[in-house]
Amino acid sequence: GAGVSQSPSNKVTEKGKDVELRCDPISGHTALYWYRQSLGQGLEFLIYFQGNSAPDKSGLPSDRFSAERTGGSVSTLTIQRTQQEDSAVYLCASSAGLASFSYNEQFFGPGTRLTVL
Amino acid sequence: SQQGEEDPQALSIQEGENATMNCSYKTSINNLQWYRQNSGRGLVHLILIRSNEREKHSGRLRVTLDTSKKSSSLLITASRAADTASYFCATVSMDSSYKLIFGSGTRLLVRP
Repeated sequence: GAGVSQSPSNKVTEKGKDVELRCDPISGHTALYWYRQSLGQGLEFLIYFQGNSAPDKSGLPSDRFSAERTGGSVSTLTIQRTQQEDSAVYLCASSAGLASFSYNEQFFGPGTRLTVL
Repeated sequence: SQQGEEDPQALSIQEGENATMNCSYKTSINNLQWYRQNSGRGLVHLILIRSNEREKHSGRLRVTLDTSKKSSSLLITASRAADTASYFCATVSMDSSYKLIFGSGTRLLVRP
């Protein structure tokens, strides 16, 4: 595909339910990132993958959040037992090459808007 | 946690005028990037400036970086209504080269 894609574009769920958000990075990009943008706030880093490994999970807000990446491509962000404060836009990005390079242009997907009722 | 702040939080100008947005950050950086976001969704990378650069141009965009003051500015010249969006600076720190730390953003409105 031409860019990063995410699905679903919108998700409405009830408090306490689990949700899965999907990200398809640009083909060939080895690094993948998840960010969250809460209403009226800036973007916060959640987790980063290099290949299928996640060297940095420091941004995950709680143990209800987890993410995996398979085949060095698609990634899924899972939120268990959703809470109202989880409502936000979840953005995925990918970048080419090794993330240790100093130049780190990340290409963002359109995001998934999650609403927890 | 966010790296820093942007000001102004909101800016309204007339088409044709220049728009200047400022960004401050807290830690030593490898590079600083500016992004644009329309309608609260996907981000578009605009320009990157490395820590050893002081100024960079791209079309109607001009970015400056002052590492001594830990600040950057984005200038959009001859603005157009289509420039209406939110603009974010993001820094890549020296010890974490993959993580973008975003500022709080500036909402720009260009009136036709």
